[in-house]
Amino acid sequence: DAGVTQSPTHLIKTRGQQVTLRCSPKSGHDTVSWYQQALGQGPQFIFQYYEEEERQRGNFPDRFSGHQFPNYSSELNVNALLLGDSALYLCASSPPPWERTDTQYFGPGTRLTVL
Amino acid sequence: AQKVTQAQTEISVVEKEDVTLDCVYETRDTTYYLFWYKQPPSGELVFLIRRNSFDEQNEISGRYSWNFQKSTSSFNFTITASQVVDSAVYFCALIGNQGGKLIFGQGTELSVKP
Repeated sequence: DAGVTQSPTHLIKTRGQQVTLRCSPKSGHDTVSWYQQALGQGPQFIFQYYEEEERQRGNFPDRFSGHQFPNYSSELNVNALLLGDSALYLCASSPPPWERTDTQYFGPGTRLTVL
Repeated sequence: AQKVTQAQTEISVVEKEDVTLDCVYETRDTTYYLFWYKQPPSGELVFLIRRNSFDEQNEISGRYSWNFQKSTSSFNFTITASQVVDSAVYFCALIGNQGGKLIFGQGTELSVKP
């Protein structure tokens, strides 16, 4: 049973560029959440996708956008990169709501460095 | 506002010592869930336990145990007879009754020395 997968593992970009990160949820999960984790900090919620729609959003600017595909996989896009966007980006998946659990299972993350 | 506080930034113990990681939370929701995750140096967050607000029973899983006390809004995590492989950053987290958004504490970095 494959867990949550993310690609790429590492990424280096320069200021002003755009980046796309990808996530495939754990088998049987249909909800995907994205988090940003700066060095030495706890993860911060970016947004959550369910049924191909953004259901909740954290305090992140519009430069952060996402998408969920019919197969439940998801992308996180960040435009006009800033140095402060350098972080570990974590994707988490969770089961359908009727399973009555909010447990989120995380992928290995994508380490983004902005120069 | 919802908040999770892990006051211990770093803890260092010698192998076989017991160690307790503290977690205090704030929420006005009557229904909520509490979690502990482990983040080894590889970076992946590993789920350890989920507790709902109506279940205050303590839980034990091998060398791990959790103490949930609503009266003090605490959800502490104890590792008995620690091992070097327990070295990691441990996060306590909360989801409120609207679901979705996990609110994490700052994490406690545990170092277990041989």
